[in-house]
Order: sequence, then structure tokens, then C-alpha cells
Amino acid sequence: AQSVTQLDSHVSVSEGTPVLLRCNYSSSYSPSLFWYVQHPNKGLQLLLKYTSAATLVKGINGFEAEFKKSETSFHLTKPSAHMSDAAEYFCVVTGGADGLTFGKGTHLIIQP
Amino acid sequence: EAGVAQSPRYKIIEKRQSVAFWCNPISGHATLYWYQQILGQGPKLLIQFQNNGVVDDSQLPKDRFSAERLKGVDSTLKIQPAKLEDSAVYLCASSLGASGPRGETQYFGPGTRLLVL
Repeated sequence: AQSVTQLDSHVSVSEGTPVLLRCNYSSSYSPSLFWYVQHPNKGLQLLLKYTSAATLVKGINGFEAEFKKSETSFHLTKPSAHMSDAAEYFCVVTGGADGLTFGKGTHLIIQP
Repeated sequence: EAGVAQSPRYKIIEKRQSVAFWCNPISGHATLYWYQQILGQGPKLLIQFQNNGVVDDSQLPKDRFSAERLKGVDSTLKIQPAKLEDSAVYLCASSLGASGPRGETQYFGPGTRLLVL
């Protein structure tokens, strides 16, 4: 069995400041982990993924995430937020015979 | 490269009516998934196909939902009869291989937004 907990339902930051979206996971197997972004009325887009290679993963649009096995975390960060980053972000885990398990999402708000 | 195509984009029906959604995956992708995303929640897997066979349909409400992928390419998802709680976005995704330990990336379509009145 596997599960994902996104610790914040909403995160609000000012444009130009750092972004931190928190994610903890649970998995019986060595997991693969993903972050997806969903803009309003658009499909889910893959930001980045971890599949047991380097623990620091770089994605698109300046986002990166670090896999920390000891903390069972996969937090998403960006050094400087842009207005276009405003969207819903989903942390996702997969492993073993299970398909993707999505977190409930974090709504990122960018203040001008 | 063309992405995952879905139609219709929006559908409004009354409860107890039937509805069907269509999905065309990325060319060459063996695995196709249907998800249900209720407002304010993450997507939930309904069914997973590997070519034209069902891999996982444990979360599919089989009394009212059905899905098929007859030729291993495009797929349809049907709801009959619809209930108010079926109002959601229905997402289709595809991947080259099977999701699992290798962490195959799934590519998502724009979704079909269903409103049941």
C-alpha cells in the first residue's frame, strides 16, 4: 500500500520569494515520486520525477525536489516565484504493483 | 508529438441519464488510464489498460461505470445511469509502458468536465 500527504492545502508567497510545497509519502516498496502541476482548465503537466537515481531532482520552470528517505519526504522548491506559477500542485507516488497515488493537492497563490 | 486527446471537454446531463467519454492516447503508448478528479481532490484511478486488457479496475464502480479499449488504442468510458456524485473531471492518461517500480511517466489529457444535475 502507498499514500501521499501534502501538508498544506494552500500556500501563498510573494512574487520573487522562494516557494516550498511539502509532501510526505508512505510506500512498501522503493517508490517513484512525481510532482505534477495543474493550471485552471488545463491538463496535468509533469514537473519532475524521482526514480532512484540522484536524490536532488531538477524539473521544468526552475522547480526542484529532494528525495529524503529518512524523512519520507519529497518537498518541491523554487528559489523565486513567478506569477505564472500560480496553480494546483500534486505530489504523486508509485511503486510495486500499485498505480499512481495522488495527494490532495496544494494550491499555490502568488501575491504581486 | 500530439498529446492525449479527450472529448468532449464539457458535458452537462441530468441524473439517471447516460454519458460517454472518449480518449485517444499518445501514439505507441501501451498503457491507458482513466481517472476521476472530484473538485478539491487529487485524481483517483478508475481503470488501467495494458494494450486492450484490463490491468486494474478495482476502483471502478462497475454497477454504473464501464470502459473499453477494443483495439488497444483509443478508449471510451461510460456512465449509466449517472448520479449527482459523478460530477467531476474525468482525466485520461497514457504511458509508454506500465506504471510501477520503473516510474513510467504518465501524460494527461485536458479532461472532460462532467456536471450531473
